[in-house]
Amino acid sequence: EDQVTQSPEALRLQEGESSSLNCSYTVSGLRGLFWYRQDPGKGPEFLFTLYSAGEEKEKERLKATLTKKESFLHITAPKPEDSATYLCAVQGVDSNYQLIWGAGTKLIIKP
Amino acid sequence: NAGVTQTPKFQVLKTGQSMTLQCAQDMNHNSMYWYRQDPGMGLRLIYYSASEGTTDKGEVPNGYNVSRLNKREFSLRLESAAPSQTSVYFCAGRTSGSNEQFFGPGTRLTVL
Repeated sequence: EDQVTQSPEALRLQEGESSSLNCSYTVSGLRGLFWYRQDPGKGPEFLFTLYSAGEEKEKERLKATLTKKESFLHITAPKPEDSATYLCAVQGVDSNYQLIWGAGTKLIIKP
Repeated sequence: NAGVTQTPKFQVLKTGQSMTLQCAQDMNHNSMYWYRQDPGMGLRLIYYSASEGTTDKGEVPNGYNVSRLNKREFSLRLESAAPSQTSVYFCAGRTSGSNEQFFGPGTRLTVL
């Protein structure tokens, strides 16, 4: 059964304190792994797609990496506006474009 | 462009009442999706429509029906609401050839 687990559930950081969020997955053939950002009261917003182990994507203070079992979202020198819930999802090769989602990591950046 | 829009934003129902959640998009999405989001759980797919005129069940379809009225609109109907259907509902769209899903702002539904 395809499964996605995100850790930690919540993370509190000081402004400027770098850290990483984890997304562990099991899927029978990975078509893609996705990272989304969700602000309170809003729908998820797309950040990255990763397709194969070793791939990396960057956007401002965020960098996503992928191995065969997990993905990391690295946050470098975060600012308060980076506070949000970060969601990870995977798509298997047999999934007909359906995604399996993790429960998310709530990130709080204190000024 | 309005993107993906959903109505209503909030709704309170009594057990047994029915309602339809509306979703519309102006982004030329071929595929559209309905999800529910519950605390401590990942988004769960209720139904999806790969193209106009087709609909398929997702992970948690029981108690729901959908209609892909045209390419722009995809509605979700609760025929007899139950407290277990209290949740936040999101509609999303995707263009063929792209993996990115665009989400609406959500509908927060409470069933008493």
